[in-house]
Amino acid sequence: AQSVAQPEDQVNVAEGNPLTVKCTYSVSGNPYLFWYVQYPNRGLQFLLKYITGDNLVKGSYGFEAEFNKSQTSFHLKKPSALVSDSALYFCAVRPDRGSTLGRLYFGRGTQLTVWP
Amino acid sequence: NAGVTQTPKFQVLKTGQSMTLQCAQDMNHEYMSWYRQDPGMGLRLIHYSVGAGITDQGEVPNGYNVSRSTTEDFPLRLLSAAPSQTSVYFCASSYSPNGQRGMNTEAFFGQGTRLTVV
Repeated sequence: AQSVAQPEDQVNVAEGNPLTVKCTYSVSGNPYLFWYVQYPNRGLQFLLKYITGDNLVKGSYGFEAEFNKSQTSFHLKKPSALVSDSALYFCAVRPDRGSTLGRLYFGRGTQLTVWP
Repeated sequence: NAGVTQTPKFQVLKTGQSMTLQCAQDMNHEYMSWYRQDPGMGLRLIHYSVGAGITDQGEVPNGYNVSRSTTEDFPLRLLSAAPSQTSVYFCASSYSPNGQRGMNTEAFFGQGTRLTVV
């Protein structure tokens, strides 16, 4: 079965400090990997994706993510957090083969709080 | 270019009532999906479509129907609403740049419909 794990329900970090939001997955083949952000009462916004190539991908608002195939992880990072980064973050994976080809599977989400 | 538009934004239903959640996209995307979001559960796939006339079930399809008569529209029907269907519903669309099934890009999401069943 395909699954995505975000082991931390909440991450708290001081403004200016680096942040990491963790994601691991169990999906067939070589999946596409995504990070989305959700602000209160809004839909999900795309941040970045990994399909192939360089393991470090850069996205919107200064975020980046590192793909680690051996650890099946795709952690979201930012060198210096802002209060405005406070939101709910979702990791998602899309299998590239099998009966669930094309479907998008989400983790449960991690609430990031950045305090001043 | 409006992207993905969902209506209504809010809805309260009585148990047993039926209704249709509307979703429309103007990006000519072939893939469309419906998700529900519940606290601590992330987003769970209800139904999805890979093109007009083609739909399939996701993880939690019971109690919901869909149809895809056009590329633009993908309505979600609740047949007989139950309190367990109280949730926030999101519609999303994506496309495949090279036309290969499953090789689609990131999904674009609507703003959501908050449904309460009493």
